[in-house]
Amino acid sequence: ILNVEQSPQSLHVQEGDSTNFTCSFPSSNFYALHWYRWETAKSPEALFVMTLNGDEKKKGRISATLNTKEGYSYLYIKGSQPEDSATYLCAFSPGNQFYFGTGTSLTVIP
Amino acid sequence: EAGVTQFPSHSVIEKGQTVTLRCDPISGHDNLYWYRRVMGKEIKFLLHFVKESKQDESGMPNNRFLAERTGGTYSTLKVQPAELEDSGVYFCASSPGSAGVRNTQYFGPGTRLTVL
Repeated sequence: ILNVEQSPQSLHVQEGDSTNFTCSFPSSNFYALHWYRWETAKSPEALFVMTLNGDEKKKGRISATLNTKEGYSYLYIKGSQPEDSATYLCAFSPGNQFYFGTGTSLTVIP
Repeated sequence: EAGVTQFPSHSVIEKGQTVTLRCDPISGHDNLYWYRRVMGKEIKFLLHFVKESKQDESGMPNNRFLAERTGGTYSTLKVQPAELEDSGVYFCASSPGSAGVRNTQYFGPGTRLTVL
C-alpha cells in the first residue's frame, strides 16, 4: 500500500495572504506527481503534472515544486483570493496508477 | 470541447438493489479510469480501460462491481447488490494517448452514491 500524505488537512487564511501546503510520497519508483483543485460537486481540475526532480511549475498565482529524492512537493498560492477556496489534491504515480492524498481544504476569508 | 460527463449526479438506493453508473469520456480519449472516494478518505483507483479492454482492475473491491466499456466509448459501472459500504463518490476520468500516468487525467464531476 502506497502512502501519500498531504498537510495540513485544512487551512483558513485571510484574503491576500500567501500560503503553501505539502504532498509527501514514497521517494522510490517515482514516475509522476499531479496536483488537482477540487470544489465539491464539480470536476477536479488539473493544475500541474510534475515529472522531473527540481521541477517548478506556475499557473497564475499558483506554483508548485518537486523533490523526488526526498519525496515531497509543495503547492504555493500567492495573494489568496476567496475563489481559491477548494480542496487541493495531489496524486502520486509509481508508473501504474494514481495514488491520491486526502487533500488540503483551503478556505480564504474575505 | 465537452469534458467528462457522468450520470446520474446522485443516486440513493437501498441495500441489496442494483445501480448502474455511466461515464462519457472526452471524445478521442482511449484511457478511461474509475475511482471512488469514501467520505473523509482519499480517492482510490478502481480500474483502467484502454479502449474497450480492461488494462488494470486491481482496485475493484469485489465481484459485486462490474465495469464495461463496449465499443471503447462510454463506460458503465454496475454495483449488484449494493451494500452500505459502497456509499461514496464515484469519479470517472479519461486521458489521451500512450504517455500513461504522465498524461493529465481529466475528471468528471462524480456520481454520489448513497446506499441506505
